[in-house]
Amino acid sequence: ELKVEQNPLFLSMQEGKNYTIYCNYSTTSDRLYWYRQDPGKSLESLFVLLSNGAVKQEGRLMASLDTKARLSTLHITAAVHDLSATYFCAVDRRAGGTSYGKLTFGQGTILTVHP
Amino acid sequence: GAGVSQTPSNKVTEKGKYVELRCDPISGHTALYWYRQSLGQGPEFLIYFQGTGAADDSGLPNDRFFAVRPEGSVSTLKIQRTERGDSAVYLCASSSTGQVGTEAFFGQGTRLTVV
Repeated sequence: ELKVEQNPLFLSMQEGKNYTIYCNYSTTSDRLYWYRQDPGKSLESLFVLLSNGAVKQEGRLMASLDTKARLSTLHITAAVHDLSATYFCAVDRRAGGTSYGKLTFGQGTILTVHP
Repeated sequence: GAGVSQTPSNKVTEKGKYVELRCDPISGHTALYWYRQSLGQGPEFLIYFQGTGAADDSGLPNDRFFAVRPEGSVSTLKIQRTERGDSAVYLCASSSTGQVGTEAFFGQGTRLTVV
């Protein structure tokens, strides 16, 4: 059974600081997604990582994927209050070698950025 | 519409009642997914449709849950004899093909409360 674990689950940080959220998963996959969720809202896609060594950046967020270590990171640079949200990683579960977007999500990391 | 639309946004029902939750995917998207998100958790996969057929229903928790997509567009998730443990946010997502790397876009969800 595929398991996806994020840490930390709660992250309180000051504006201007840097931090990294980690996402570990238990079985082979080279398809990993990061989503953002604001309270009471749905999931917003942030990054799609499709190969070992993939790195994507958008604004103050950068995501990377190491398929050999089964690890993805979401790095936050110079945090601002607007980044406060819950961040989920999700791994595409394969079934018999095929894949069709069936995602297994981590527990989520609740990020709070203080002035 | 521009995005995935789910109705109702909130549903309160009594234990033992029957409910239907509707999902209207992005026009032209052939892949449709239902997920369930309990408080403080990541979404959990329920069922995947490719066109009109349920290609994977392995996430449905028991036979009280059923979903249809008769014309390959709108989908309805049906829950019979609701229980308090069914209370959660039910999320629908669609993607253009369901193939590798295609993003799934999520709706706002239906918050189901069973009292």
